This record gives sequence, C-alpha cells and structure tokens, in this order.
Amino acid sequence: GDSVTQMEGPVTLSEEAFLTINCTYTATGYPSLFWYVQYPGEGLQLLLKATKADDKGSNKGFEATYRKETTSFHLEKGSVQVSDSAVYFCALVTNFGNEKLTFGTGTRLTIIP
Amino acid sequence: DAGVTQSPTHLIKTRGQQVTLRCSPISGHKSVSWYQQVLGQGPQFIFQYYEKEERGRGNFPDRFSARQFPNYSSELNVNALLLGDSALYLCASSLGPTLSNQPQHFGDGTRLSIL
Repeated sequence: GDSVTQMEGPVTLSEEAFLTINCTYTATGYPSLFWYVQYPGEGLQLLLKATKADDKGSNKGFEATYRKETTSFHLEKGSVQVSDSAVYFCALVTNFGNEKLTFGTGTRLTIIP
Repeated sequence: DAGVTQSPTHLIKTRGQQVTLRCSPISGHKSVSWYQQVLGQGPQFIFQYYEKEERGRGNFPDRFSARQFPNYSSELNVNALLLGDSALYLCASSLGPTLSNQPQHFGDGTRLSIL
C-alpha cells in the first residue's frame, strides 16, 4: 500500500540555519505530494504541494521538489526562524482507485534563537 | 468565516462503550474527511464523505462508521471501544471531492481517552 517515510526527529536548529527534512514515498501511480504543518496550539494546515514530477511547491520560504526518480519530496528552507518551530508532516494522495490522504509520522522542528 | 469546528473537545469513555464525534465544515465546503492521530504518529485516514455519500474508506474495522448530513456536517461513530481507540480524531473539510487537488482544512480535533 501507499506509505510515506519521514526523517526522524526531533530536529533542533539555530535561527538562520539551513533546513532539510527528508521525505520519501511508496505509491501506486502518480501521487500528489504535500507538506502539512502544525504550529503549537493550532490545527494542521497545508504548507505546500506538488502534483506532478519536477513540480516545485513553495510557501513562506519553504520549498520542496517532486522527484519521481528518487520518490522523494524533501522540505527545505534557506534560513529558519523561531516562528518555524512546529511539527511537519509529509503526505500523499494517489490518483488511483480509493483516494485517501496518507501522512508520514511527522518531524518536530525546534528553532533556538 | 469560522473554520472547521469539532465537538466535543475532549471525551473520556470506558471499554465497550460507543461514542459519537461531530464535525461542522467550513461554510460552502461539501467534503468532510475523518482521521485518527495516535500520539507520536501522523493522522490516519478513516473516511471521506462528499455530498452525503461515502467516497473513500481507510483500513479501519467496521466498528467505525460515519455519515454526512444535508447541511454537510458529519458524525463519526465508534462502537465497542477498545483501549487502542484512544487518539486525537481530526476532521477536515474541502470544497470539492478530490483530495489530490483540494486543500484540506483541519479542525482542532476531539481527544478521545478510553479507560
């Protein structure tokens, strides 16, 4: 079945550091890929998405590129801020049969000033 | 505009009991999905409903059921509760039926504890 594997956390970085959170997937067909974020005390919200190979999703300085050849969708940001501290979830939806949103286990990110 | 609202916020039940969780989608949204999030894990898809019809189902036992009402609100029912059903239950809504191109808007969840 479909699955998403995320880099294990927690991840702690200093402000202005470069961030990478790895995400790889297994899916039937050609999935759409997502990053969701959960800030402290808030609900899950969509951060960015990509719907086909080589697409780059971007939002709030975060980027992720849909790499079909490596089945990956790594999240990156060039300079993190304390306000980026949150739990990040990689997710996919396959466009094949019983459509469902499949999440990874989440990566807790803490940015220290 | 109000976001996705879920009730109750917290709930404590004992093994074998039944529970009903409620979700009101964002105004105008016709799709509602339910997820179970166990502590330390990502959300797991339970059901999706669109226009009152079940559109998708995850790998959950028949003890889990749901329905959607004409006003697009939804209920999730769980029968014969087990200790393993303790989790945060999330509801998400979207405008259209397709999960791949419709951003999902999540509520804050109902935390269910089974004693």
